[in-house]
Amino acid sequence: DQQVKQNSPSLSVQEGRISILNCDYTNSMFDYFLWYKKYPAEGPTFLISISSIKDKNEDGRFTVFLNKSAKHLSLHIVPSQPGDSAVYFCAASEGTGNQFYFGTGTSLTVIP
Amino acid sequence: EPEVTQTPSHQVTQMGQEVILRCVPISNHLYFYWYRQILGQKVEFLVSFYNNEISEKSEIFDDQFSVERPDGSNFTLKIRSTKLEDSAMYFCASSEANSRLVSAGELFFGEGSRLTVL
Repeated sequence: DQQVKQNSPSLSVQEGRISILNCDYTNSMFDYFLWYKKYPAEGPTFLISISSIKDKNEDGRFTVFLNKSAKHLSLHIVPSQPGDSAVYFCAASEGTGNQFYFGTGTSLTVIP
Repeated sequence: EPEVTQTPSHQVTQMGQEVILRCVPISNHLYFYWYRQILGQKVEFLVSFYNNEISEKSEIFDDQFSVERPDGSNFTLKIRSTKLEDSAMYFCASSEANSRLVSAGELFFGEGSRLTVL
């Protein structure tokens, strides 16, 4: 049961341009969303979060947008840097739970 | 910077053997988790632990699995009789607070323990 979906397994972007990673979810009870970055042979690293009371959260080069009616969130990275090359996971949870549901990840490659 | 540490980084075991994966969460964190990622698949929730008891578990977390916090620092995952399909990367995570507390609900993951069942 894929409650969180990342339909693009990979994405390539030129250095300096914008990277847009997308995530869709099916459970309307999800109210907290996170993005994680994962390098090979390492654990996921928290990047940015957003709660359902907001539609945008910004932290430096990273901005997460939430469209609750479409059950869609996206992560924008601008400008993209080669060090951003990693697998990006979105994750979601319901308000009363501790369980996070992860997407399958999108592998981002930033080309110098 | 505080981090979650996991041991071993890689364990190879025979089918049917017991395995214990160890984790040291971040010291002031109250919630502890195990997730796993089978090669090429998504990260899957196994179990969360708070106040010395399981608070949530997934259907993956059957009777073969157990968790324990034997002392003030370690958090362990035991698989009693490993199966081939248990081969995966197991990630421990901890968080300061429940995910309802927006600003503090982030999970901090360890680097993972790769389990290979032969």
